Amino acid sequence: AQSVTQLDSHVSVSEGTPVLLRCNYSSSYSPSLFWYVQHPNKGLQLLLKYTSAATLVKGINGFEAEFKKSETSFHLTKPSAHMSDAAEYFCVVSVIVGTDKLIFGTGTRLQVFP
Amino acid sequence: GAVVSQHPSRVICKSGTSVKIECRSLDFQATTMFWYRQFPKKSLMLMATSNEGSKATYEQGVEKDKFLINHASLTLSTLTVTSAHPEDSSFYICSATGDTQYFGPGTRLTVL
Repeated sequence: AQSVTQLDSHVSVSEGTPVLLRCNYSSSYSPSLFWYVQHPNKGLQLLLKYTSAATLVKGINGFEAEFKKSETSFHLTKPSAHMSDAAEYFCVVSVIVGTDKLIFGTGTRLQVFP
Repeated sequence: GAVVSQHPSRVICKSGTSVKIECRSLDFQATTMFWYRQFPKKSLMLMATSNEGSKATYEQGVEKDKFLINHASLTLSTLTVTSAHPEDSSFYICSATGDTQYFGPGTRLTVL
């Protein structure tokens, strides 16, 4: 069965410093992986997705993630945090190839301090 | 980008009543929509897959008679929480599949 584990429930960084949100996945086949962001009172927004093309995936707002099969990881990074990045981030894996059913990680709350 | 709306954004109801939540894809047609439930400080849990013109597919442990789903058109799916109880209080989120999956802003249900 497919699953994702977000290793940190809470990450705090200072504005202008790098962001690292960690995610490990478990899948019996080559998965599709996603990162979504949830701002308060707003819908989930897709940051980026990996679907077996380039292992380094660039997303919106300066975020990127690298698919590492040997480490079963899909960590989300950003070189320089902005105050507006403060939100809840979810690592997500597709359930079955060819379907849109998703399994969400438990989420990481990112706080950005001035 | 594509937009998915939900109505209402929040609802408070008395125990024993039924509540309907609408999910609409505003600028695209979606043959498949999904309903999720999110508990406070918890992840999203997939409840069911809503298929236009056919019965919904429910995840294990989700009571289909309690959470009625209707997907009558390519732009509208509804979730009705029947005979609501306080334990049904939660944040309900829908999504619709276009070129990717787009999520609605959610509906906060509070059952008194």
